[in-house]
Amino acid sequence: RKEVEQDPGPFNVPEGATVAFNCTYSNSASQSFFWYRQDCRKEPKLLMSVYSSGNEDGRFTAQLNRASQYISLLIRDSKLSDSATYLCVVNAEGAGNMLTFGGGTRLMVKP
Amino acid sequence: DVKVTQSSRYLVKRTGEKVFLECVQDMDHENMFWYRQDPGLGLRLIYFSYDVKMKEKGDIPEGYSVSREKKERFSLILESASTNQTSMYLCASSRRGKRIGELFFGEGSRLTVL
Repeated sequence: RKEVEQDPGPFNVPEGATVAFNCTYSNSASQSFFWYRQDCRKEPKLLMSVYSSGNEDGRFTAQLNRASQYISLLIRDSKLSDSATYLCVVNAEGAGNMLTFGGGTRLMVKP
Repeated sequence: DVKVTQSSRYLVKRTGEKVFLECVQDMDHENMFWYRQDPGLGLRLIYFSYDVKMKEKGDIPEGYSVSREKKERFSLILESASTNQTSMYLCASSRRGKRIGELFFGEGSRLTVL
């Protein structure tokens, strides 16, 4: 079993739709969590950190469920420009070599 | 604007050649990373450095070495390139502590080994 798992998709949604992705992790010692966005043939860019109480940034909402060991990303009112691959990152023990990337979920927003 | 700069966007090398990939960050970050990204395999950590002259092996260090002589610069070295090292190489940096996972990536270096 992979340490960090994501549904690879693609998720095909119409503009304006709400879409949610989950990311499950296996290491219960995981301490910090992040969502990244990666456009085709570009580098990943930090979208948002995930806080224990959940957090929101505009149309994006991130949640953490420690009991079930997953994080989620909700995108409301999808835009064409949201089309990208979304990567979750989980950090155990606060060490750089304990950062684990999920395989990514591809989102395609259609007109 | 904060920046991580990788020296070469595209390289083509022959099997057995020595390859240097350079990465420079201007954010005074303590941590620097080298990843490779391959289709279907995602991002895999090659090496990590948390301070000058310090390094830690990642998931796939075999065939690679690194050098960090200055805080802002982290070099990846392929002593003898092989075809299975054809990949996209991504350098990243981050602060120490809880923000270690807030990575800033360079644009990547696409290496082809013939």
